Amino acid sequence: NAGVTQTPKFQVLKTGQSMTLQCAQDMNHNSMYWYRQDPGMGLRLIYYSASEGTTDKGEVPNGYNVSRLNKREFSLRLESAAPSQTSVYFCAIWTGKQETQYFGPGTRLLVL
Amino acid sequence: DQQVKQNSPSLSVQEGRISILNCDYTNSMFDYFLWYKKYPAEGPTFLISISSIKDKNEDGRFTVFLNKSAKHLSLHIVPSQPGDSAVYFCAATSGNQFYFGTGTSLTVIP
Repeated sequence: NAGVTQTPKFQVLKTGQSMTLQCAQDMNHNSMYWYRQDPGMGLRLIYYSASEGTTDKGEVPNGYNVSRLNKREFSLRLESAAPSQTSVYFCAIWTGKQETQYFGPGTRLLVL
Repeated sequence: DQQVKQNSPSLSVQEGRISILNCDYTNSMFDYFLWYKKYPAEGPTFLISISSIKDKNEDGRFTVFLNKSAKHLSLHIVPSQPGDSAVYFCAATSGNQFYFGTGTSLTVIP
């Protein structure tokens, strides 16, 4: 998906476990995003990073933390997973207005 | 509160006919709008966008119309093809944050 990679592709966690979702881009753009997609809810923004070293909350940040490690990588961490965090997580980059967002292939997370 | 709404969860169209997908928004500060197509188990793929200074943008079979006074945009696909069957999301932004609709599942019947 246009130079945005995500790992893992699928993960099962037990309630209370922690994990980090990884996202990397090879397109050298500043802005990176984490979304979650749930049935009937569309895509909702969790966190975004407008540039290396900066992060901001989106619509649904509770229960998540992020790290913009460098320009290329933006990780999403669940410190104590809950069943409500069962979702499909997408990472995206923004190339600027008059352009577009490119999305990664997604990570399917199941929290039992 | 949902700032971008797609009120039709699904739409079925015959191959060769026009598909019209609709989207409404509430925030008058939005100045850039996008449409995405999504297949199962894949990330959304950009289709077409429009700036608030325009009322129409066309790219091949896809045309997006923007009516700012009504806070409404629509995506027209002509002619519709079976490969267009997917979920379509509209999105809006005024800066760094993007707001997505809940999606419309389009089925194009051969």
